[in-house]
Amino acid sequence: EAGVAQSPRYKIIEKRQSVAFWCNPISGHATLYWYQQILGQGPKLLIQFQNNGVVDDSQLPKDRFSAERLKGVDSTLKIQPAKLEDSAVYLCASSYSSPGSGEQYFGPGTRLTVT
Amino acid sequence: GENVEQHPSTLSVQEGDSAVIKCTYSDSASNYFPWYKQELGKGPQLIIDIRSNVGEKKDQRIAVTLNKTAKHFSLHITETQPEDSAVYFCAARNTGNQFYFGTGTSLTVIP
Repeated sequence: EAGVAQSPRYKIIEKRQSVAFWCNPISGHATLYWYQQILGQGPKLLIQFQNNGVVDDSQLPKDRFSAERLKGVDSTLKIQPAKLEDSAVYLCASSYSSPGSGEQYFGPGTRLTVT
Repeated sequence: GENVEQHPSTLSVQEGDSAVIKCTYSDSASNYFPWYKQELGKGPQLIIDIRSNVGEKKDQRIAVTLNKTAKHFSLHITETQPEDSAVYFCAARNTGNQFYFGTGTSLTVIP
């Protein structure tokens, strides 16, 4: 079974530029998460999708971050304009949505550096 | 919302010794508690998990215990090996299926 795929793996941009990350979850996983992991910290949830609907985006900085999951499979996360403090690893994870199937699997992440 | 605290932040053990990492959570409705291992440049990898209706779970050298009353859970690694060196994260999942992570423990196993 293929794991969660993410691209690009690394991205360097200047502040005020825009950037987009892509995620393809494990086949059949209805729930998709985007996390931000700042160096030395645990992952922080940005947004959670159930199929193509948003379940929780309370920690997403909506003035600059946006995400979509068209057709309930792939997802993109965008930052526009980027700030220095956005430098982090952006992790995508997916899981089944049925009760009792809570296992969450992560992709390798995209390391973003904003200069 | 949920708040997960994790201790210690760093841990060094001799090869063959045991390592214990502890986490506490605040939301009594949280019902699932996974542990992840993260190696440099990689995403977190699920190594063991426990659900709220179970007190202990073991998988070879790794075990997890849960005390619902005290709202804390622990990871135990026995007979540590150099390849166990990594950052370990605990997490708690609430009833909305959102995961909240601890701040991580950097484990070093000294050969």
